[in-house]
Amino acid sequence: GQSLEQPSEVTAVEGAIVQINCTYQTSGFYGLSWYQQHDGGAPTFLSYNALDGLEETGRFSSFLSRSDSYGYLLLQELQMKDSASYFCAVESGGSYIPTFGRGTSLIVHP
Amino acid sequence: GAGVSQSPSNKVTEKGKDVELRCDPISGHTALYWYRQSLGQGLEFLIYFQGNSAPDKSGLPSDRFSAERTGGSVSTLTIQRTQQEDSAVYLCASSSRTDTQYFGPGTRLTVL
Repeated sequence: GQSLEQPSEVTAVEGAIVQINCTYQTSGFYGLSWYQQHDGGAPTFLSYNALDGLEETGRFSSFLSRSDSYGYLLLQELQMKDSASYFCAVESGGSYIPTFGRGTSLIVHP
Repeated sequence: GAGVSQSPSNKVTEKGKDVELRCDPISGHTALYWYRQSLGQGLEFLIYFQGNSAPDKSGLPSDRFSAERTGGSVSTLTIQRTQQEDSAVYLCASSSRTDTQYFGPGTRLTVL
């Protein structure tokens, strides 16, 4: 089976940098995705890593280490609007059906 | 269309009734997914359609749940004889690539 672990909650202040970690156990790993979901809203795609290394998209970056079965989402210059839940999701095992983590609630304080 | 749409946005029903939830994916997207999300929880996979292939129903929690996708576009998720534990937000997503899913706004189902 597949399993993902991510912290349930992270808090930070405006302007800070925060890292949300995701570790996974799976076979036949394809890639790791990150999604953002505001309260009452739909998940929106943030990033996808299939290869080791850092992918940067504006204030958000995502990192993957396949050998460590580990990835993280890095959010820089935090803004209040970044307060949301962040989900990691892994595709593996010859399936295009991703398995989602339980989500990390990010709370940004002024 | 501009994005994935779902209807209704909210549905309140009585225990034992049947409900139908609709999803209109982004035009041209061959893959369509249904998920369920309970309050404060992650996304639970329900069913996956890819083109004209047989759907992957491995996530359906019971035989009360079924889904179809007509003409490779619109999909309907049907829940028969609803139970209170079926209360959740039902999300639909479509994609043209394996790494990016576009989600609809969801249908909030409340079973009384």
